[in-house]
Amino acid sequence: EAGVVQSPRYKIIEKKQPVAFWCNPISGHNTLYWYRQNLGQGPELLIRYENEEAVDDSQLPKDRFSAERLKGVDSTLKIQPAELGDSAVYLCASSLENIGTEAFFGQGTRLTVV
Amino acid sequence: GENVEQHPSTLSVQEGDSAVIKCTYSDSASNYFPWYKQELGKRPQLIIDIRSNVGEKKDQRIAVTLNKTAKHFSLHITETQPEDSAVYFCAPHSGGGADGLTFGKGTHLIIQP
Repeated sequence: EAGVVQSPRYKIIEKKQPVAFWCNPISGHNTLYWYRQNLGQGPELLIRYENEEAVDDSQLPKDRFSAERLKGVDSTLKIQPAELGDSAVYLCASSLENIGTEAFFGQGTRLTVV
Repeated sequence: GENVEQHPSTLSVQEGDSAVIKCTYSDSASNYFPWYKQELGKRPQLIIDIRSNVGEKKDQRIAVTLNKTAKHFSLHITETQPEDSAVYFCAPHSGGGADGLTFGKGTHLIIQP
């Protein structure tokens, strides 16, 4: 069984440009998370979906970040426009359900904004 | 939201010795307590977890202990090996399930040969 798949693995863009990340969770996993991980820090939750509903987006900078999870499966995270401080690894994770189950992470997308 | 602290931030031990990492949390409704391991350049992976109705759980050289009264849980690694070198994150699940995983800042474990 395939794990969580993310693309692209790496992305370099100039500031003020838009960028999008894609995530395909493990089949059957209802819960999907987007995390941002800065160098030397723990993952910080950006948004959590239960099926297609965003149930926690309190940490998502909504002026420039947006996310969607169509049909409760794949998800995309978009930044427009990107800023230098957005450089980080963006991790997608999925779990069977939110309550007390293992979260499986994708390999992440390393974003560099120059 | 959940306030999570890990100690120490860096831990260096001799190969074969034991390592203990402690995680404190603030939400008394937290009910699921996992530990994740992240090797350099790789994704975080679950290594052990415990639920609030259990005080201790072991899996070979790894164990987790939970003190709900004091709101902390600890990762114990015995007979450490070079492949144990990594960053370890606790991620208590807060809000009685209403919230997601809140990760600590991580502990960099270094195994000295």
